[in-house]
Amino acid sequence: QVQLQESGPGLVKPSQTLSLTCTVSGGSTSSGSYYWSWIRQPAGKGLEWIGRIYISGSTNYNPSLKSRVTISLDTSKNQFSLNLNSVTAADTAIYYCAGMDIATTGSAFDYWGPGTLVTVSS
Amino acid sequence: DIQMTQSPSSLSASVGDRVTITCQASQSISSYLNWYQQKPGKAPKLLLYVASSLQTGVPSRFSGSGSGTDFTLIISSLQPEDFATYYCQQSYSTPWTFGQGTKVEIK
Repeated sequence: QVQLQESGPGLVKPSQTLSLTCTVSGGSTSSGSYYWSWIRQPAGKGLEWIGRIYISGSTNYNPSLKSRVTISLDTSKNQFSLNLNSVTAADTAIYYCAGMDIATTGSAFDYWGPGTLVTVSS
Repeated sequence: DIQMTQSPSSLSASVGDRVTITCQASQSISSYLNWYQQKPGKAPKLLLYVASSLQTGVPSRFSGSGSGTDFTLIISSLQPEDFATYYCQQSYSTPWTFGQGTKVEIK
């Protein structure tokens, strides 16, 4: 069973860069069977897809965040990461990493980390 | 971007009730529609994918239907553990987008 776990600072200052890492266990980030994504959810609100990465290194980002987002993959550590720069209070949210098993469910988010709250505040 | 609109935004129901939640896409998404359940303080959980396929381990009281722009999630007999917020999500094209959620509360 694939398991994901987010890690990173819970507090980021405005204008700085939010950096999170997702560690994958029970599955391989070097497998061509998965897309790896970041999704966020402000308190009491809905879900927003941030972007995804594939083993080939190809990425897709939400246009609403594209200018500020970078998602990268480190297969040697079985991890993928999110960098979001120039953050403001509007970026305060629970951030989830998620895996999409292309071979089984096609394009649904099969696996989720428990989420990590990131607060942007000075 | 494809906009996903769920209705209702919230509903009150009793244990044993049949519950119907709808999701409408702003353009045709074929059957690329997934449903998730989220409980407070927890990550969303995949219930159904490609509109009607039940994820492994999900009870059969959950079912989904639809194609094109209109989709439905049905809980045939609501159980205490089903009180949660439900989200639809389109996987037809990026940016992948979610509905705003439907909160199912206890009557």
